[in-house]
Amino acid sequence: QQQVKQSPQSLIVQKGGISIINCAYENTAFDYFPWYQQFPGKGPALLIAIRPDVSEKKEGRFTISFNKSAKQFSLHIMDSQPGDSATYFCAATRGAGSYQLTFGKGTKLSVIP
Amino acid sequence: NAGVTQTPKFQVLKTGQSMTLQCAQDMNHNSMYWYRQDPGMGLRLIYYSASEGTTDKGEVPNGYNVSRLNKREFSLRLESAAPSQTSVYFCASIWKSSYNEQFFGPGTRLTVL
Repeated sequence: QQQVKQSPQSLIVQKGGISIINCAYENTAFDYFPWYQQFPGKGPALLIAIRPDVSEKKEGRFTISFNKSAKQFSLHIMDSQPGDSATYFCAATRGAGSYQLTFGKGTKLSVIP
Repeated sequence: NAGVTQTPKFQVLKTGQSMTLQCAQDMNHNSMYWYRQDPGMGLRLIYYSASEGTTDKGEVPNGYNVSRLNKREFSLRLESAAPSQTSVYFCASIWKSSYNEQFFGPGTRLTVL
């Protein structure tokens, strides 16, 4: 049973455009939702994260939108750049007392000039 | 501060051979993890160690064993490698709970012929 569903699997965006990646979760006990960014040949690294007590979190060009009632959250990359080309993973955890992250299957983003 | 280190970076095995993947972290983290990454499958947890002296199965533990040698080191052993274990393996660590950033190593690319 996949607890975090991520879409799309791949995404091609023009430079300067907006990249949007969506995730949906099933477990209502999840209370922390990080996004990880992975460049080819490297390990994933934390990009941005959100708790469900806020509906949006912004860090530079990256924004997480969170909809608790729909059990969905999304990553928006504004003014997408070729350097943003990477694989993005959403994840979820119930945090306290848990030591595991549940990852989505990833989205490969290509930003073309 | 090297973060999370993994050895080797690349390995080719024949079916039935055994090997141990090594992982070490110098961040004084409590919990350590082993994941495998396959195209279209995202990051799947093999085993984790919430603290020194404990290990638990993740989503895909069959065919693997682990040892938490001390607080710094967490190794993954393949006793009899199979082609289905061809993958990229990532070690990760985290301080205290999964509310904190999970730090990943650079990965080991394993091919089983």
